[in-house]
This record gives sequence, C-alpha cells and structure tokens, in this order.
Amino acid sequence: GQNIDQPTEMTATEGAIVQINCTYQTSGFNGLFWYQQHAGEAPTFLSYNVLDGLEEKGRFSSFLSRSKGYSYLLLKELQMKDSASYLCAVRESGANNLFFGTGTRLTVIP
Amino acid sequence: EPEVTQTPSHQVTQMGQEVILRCVPISNHLYFYWYRQILGQKVEFLVSFYNNEISEKSEIFDDQFSVERPDGSNFTLKIRSTKLEDSAMYFCASSENREGFEQYFGPGTRLTVT
Repeated sequence: GQNIDQPTEMTATEGAIVQINCTYQTSGFNGLFWYQQHAGEAPTFLSYNVLDGLEEKGRFSSFLSRSKGYSYLLLKELQMKDSASYLCAVRESGANNLFFGTGTRLTVIP
Repeated sequence: EPEVTQTPSHQVTQMGQEVILRCVPISNHLYFYWYRQILGQKVEFLVSFYNNEISEKSEIFDDQFSVERPDGSNFTLKIRSTKLEDSAMYFCASSENREGFEQYFGPGTRLTVT
C-alpha cells in the first residue's frame, strides 16, 4: 500500500521562494513525481526523481531522499500564476501507475 | 504540441445508466490510463492498459467498469450502471513507454450522476 502526506494549504508572496514537502511510504519505490493542477484542469507534469538528490528545471526544483521517504518541490521567484495545487505522486516497483497525495493548494499573494 | 483529448467535457446521467467516456491518447504512446478525482479529493488511479489488455487496476475498478481500445486511436472507459458516488472528474492519460515517466493527462470529463 501507499501513504503519501503533504500539507493541505500554503500561502507565499509573489517573488518569494516556497518549499512544498511530501513524505511517502510505499511497499516498493520506482519514482516520485510532482504535478501542478489548476482548479478544474488536468494535472501537468513538473518533475521526476528516482535517485536521491536535486533535480532543477528553471524556477522549479525537486529533491528526493529515498532513505527518508521524503521529497520537496521548490518554487523560486513566485508568480501569481503559480497559484495552484501541487500534487506529489509515487510510482511503485513493477507498476507504471501513479499514486497521488491529496495535493497542496498554494496561494500566491501580491 | 501533441495532447490527450477527451470527450465529452461534461456528462450528466441518471443513476443506473451506462456511460462511455472517450479519450484519444497521444499517437505514439503505448500506455494508457484512467484516473478519477472526486471533487475536493485526490487523484485516484483506476486502470492502466497496454498492448490491448489491462496491465494494472485498482480496487475501485470493479466489475461495473471496463476499458476498450476499439480502434487505433480511441481509448474508452465504460461504466455499466452508474451510481451517485461515480460522480467525479475522469482523466485519461498516456505515456510513451513503461519507463516513460511523463504521463500526459487529458482535460478530463466531468461526470455527474443524478
């Protein structure tokens, strides 16, 4: 089974940096994914980690520690359009489907 | 840029009726998925499909659900006898290969069962 935890809501200021944490427990691990979902829209892929360490992609970075069952998504130079839900998802060994957390609703304020 | 498409965008049906949700995955993708998201809740995996058969399915995907790839482009989800609790957004997704980590999601079909 899977257990994925992330904060329900966060608020941050335009131009600032925000870190969204995710902890997980799975019976086997084959990758951690971050998706962005605006209200009423489909999830869109942001990042993928399968090895420990930091993956950087423009204003977005994602970190993974497999031994701690922990990941974070770092968003820099926040823009108003970054207001959305950020979904942490885990893929288990031997499977290709994703198990999603409940998502963190980020509100960016001026 | 290629994208996953879904029809209809919104479906309203009465309890007990059958519905078919349609998806056109990205053309060179080989793995297809259905997920659902009940309003205000998390995205939940339903089923994955590869090489014309189901490769994985969740506990949610019981006998009232079925999937089909009737031709070279469409991928459908059928719910045989809808229940009120089936009301949700249904997302289709596809990926290029098994290790193709980026699953591309379609815009979703909002199903409302009355």
